[in-house]
Amino acid sequence: EAGVAQSPRYKIIEKRQSVAFWCNPISGHATLYWYQQILGQGPKLLIQFQNNGVVDDSQLPKDRFSAERLKGVDSTLKIQPAKLEDSAVYLCASSLELYETQYFGPGTRLLVL
Amino acid sequence: GDSVTQMEGPVTLSEEAFLTINCTYTATGYPSLFWYVQYPGEGLQLLLKATKADDKGSNKGFEATYRKETTSFHLEKGSVQVSDSAVYFCALIHTGNQFYFGTGTSLTVIP
Repeated sequence: EAGVAQSPRYKIIEKRQSVAFWCNPISGHATLYWYQQILGQGPKLLIQFQNNGVVDDSQLPKDRFSAERLKGVDSTLKIQPAKLEDSAVYLCASSLELYETQYFGPGTRLLVL
Repeated sequence: GDSVTQMEGPVTLSEEAFLTINCTYTATGYPSLFWYVQYPGEGLQLLLKATKADDKGSNKGFEATYRKETTSFHLEKGSVQVSDSAVYFCALIHTGNQFYFGTGTSLTVIP
């Protein structure tokens, strides 16, 4: 069974630029999550989808971050404009249903200069 | 609110040593508890889990027991290998709530 796919693996941008990350969850998984993991910290949930609807986006900085999951499969996370403090690893995870075991992708490492 | 507290690292052990990484949690009711492992350059992988009190999760020689009375889920392994070098995260989830991760404990095993 294929795992969670993410791209790109690495991205370097300058502050105030925009960037987008892509995630393809495990086939059949209804729930998709985006996490931000700052160096030395545990992952922090940004947004959670159930199929193509948002379940929880309470910790998403909505003035600059946006995410969508059209058709309830792939998802994109966008940052516009980026700030220095957005430098982190962005992890995508999926689970069969809400509140079940999450499976993580390899992450996208973002560096904002 | 719900939270997870892990012992701070980094932890350095010699090969074949005994490993304990402490994890305690704060939550109402009975959350599900997890240990995830993150190898260098990779994403998080589920290591083991326990969904109710007194359950023992185990995988790859690692074990953790869900202790409701001490609100703990300590990770143990009897004999570590160099390949176990990674960052270990304790996490919990509660129905109707989100995943909460600890800050991670870095383990280095030296030959």
